[in-house]
Amino acid sequence: EVQLLDSGGGLVQRGGSLRLSCAASGFTFRSYGMTWVRQAPGKGLEWVATISGNGGSTYYADSVKGRFTMSRDNSENKVYLQMNSLRAEDTAVYFCAKCRSAPGSGFDSWGQGTLVSVSS
Amino acid sequence: QSVLTQPPSASATPGQRVTISCSGSNSKIGSNTVNWYQQLPGTAPKLLIYSNKQRPSGVPDRFSGSKSGTSASLAISGLQSEDEADYYCAAWDDSLNGYVFGTGTKVTVL
Repeated sequence: EVQLLDSGGGLVQRGGSLRLSCAASGFTFRSYGMTWVRQAPGKGLEWVATISGNGGSTYYADSVKGRFTMSRDNSENKVYLQMNSLRAEDTAVYFCAKCRSAPGSGFDSWGQGTLVSVSS
Repeated sequence: QSVLTQPPSASATPGQRVTISCSGSNSKIGSNTVNWYQQLPGTAPKLLIYSNKQRPSGVPDRFSGSKSGTSASLAISGLQSEDEADYYCAAWDDSLNGYVFGTGTKVTVL
């Protein structure tokens, strides 16, 4: 059974940094791309970033490009999202998700989400 | 960030059929496959449809997807109370080199 466990959220001041983690199990981790998706309170889903299975390719939403960095450790079966220069509009629940295959092919397993609150 | 356009809400009585539209552009739906997600209140999203019309294992065949040109749709037939949720379409955007979600549709079972 695929399991994704998000962690690392919390309260941070505007301009600060935070690193989210997602621990994966139940599948051949290195064979699949992984993604972060966020949802601001009462709002819709927003794609944040995707990383390929070997970590060689990363894709970012324009809203986070240059501030957020997604990475992975295939020896630990974990993905990370380093978030710098945080803004109030980054306040959201962040979900990690497993890509079904190619980056646009859909996300077929999701973590429970971790809340990031940026105080202004 | 560019989005895919969905109606904000849809409703029907139990047993009826409801259809949700998703409108995009050539760089999104026109060039790539569409996925649909269901998000029940207070939970993580769930992949409902991938590659325009394919259902992951475990998704009832009451849910069906289609795509034509730069638009897609999700149909729920035999609507049940447990289908009350938010539904999002999504697709890769070649011009952004990223993934975009639709604006979301809240389905209410009357």
